Amino acid sequence: TQLLEQSPQFLSIQEGENLTVYCNSSSVFSSLQWYRQEPGEGPVLLVTVVTGGEVKKLKRLTFQFGDARKDSSLHITAAQPGDTGLYLCAGAGRRSNDYKLSFGAGTTVTVRA
Amino acid sequence: DVKVTQSSRYLVKRTGEKVFLECVQDMDHENMFWYRQDPGLGLRLIYFSYDVKMKEKGDIPEGYSVSREKKERFSLILESASTNQTSMYLCASQGGVEKLFFGSGTQLSVL
Repeated sequence: TQLLEQSPQFLSIQEGENLTVYCNSSSVFSSLQWYRQEPGEGPVLLVTVVTGGEVKKLKRLTFQFGDARKDSSLHITAAQPGDTGLYLCAGAGRRSNDYKLSFGAGTTVTVRA
Repeated sequence: DVKVTQSSRYLVKRTGEKVFLECVQDMDHENMFWYRQDPGLGLRLIYFSYDVKMKEKGDIPEGYSVSREKKERFSLILESASTNQTSMYLCASQGGVEKLFFGSGTQLSVL
């Protein structure tokens, strides 16, 4: 069973549309990270959210950490073909010395030109 | 920029062979990790190491072992490869607070 559940598993949209990816868990995390992985490459960190209720923006990407630190969302405004990729969320354990990350299964996003 | 280098992008091995996957990082990070990635399952932690000669099992260590003789190098060993070990293997090093830097991955096929 996956500690972090991501939805949807696949998302295909037209260029210019908006999309939201969700990451949910029954566990509390000290922080949550979002990675993007392109074909043939390893995941690359996009953002880390730490505080419950925190919202971070990275150009057209908006990341939110739930108040209870159990869930997160990634919203992309006016998606572009360059946003295509596998989006992974990863949670860090609640203890300060627990540096292992648990990953969700990922959401494959395809943005059509 | 941090560089994590995995020795092979693609590898084809036969059942029963001993397989070595090598990973080198250039940022003097203490923590290093091996994950495998399978469609629909995400990344699953095989082993990690927080110091030279130190290792801990992750979530799916069966059939694997690791070696960390030097700080910059973390090797994953498949003692006797099996077809269910066909997968994408990702190495990562950890810098700062939890942030992971990944290599490009090794796609291993066991026939």
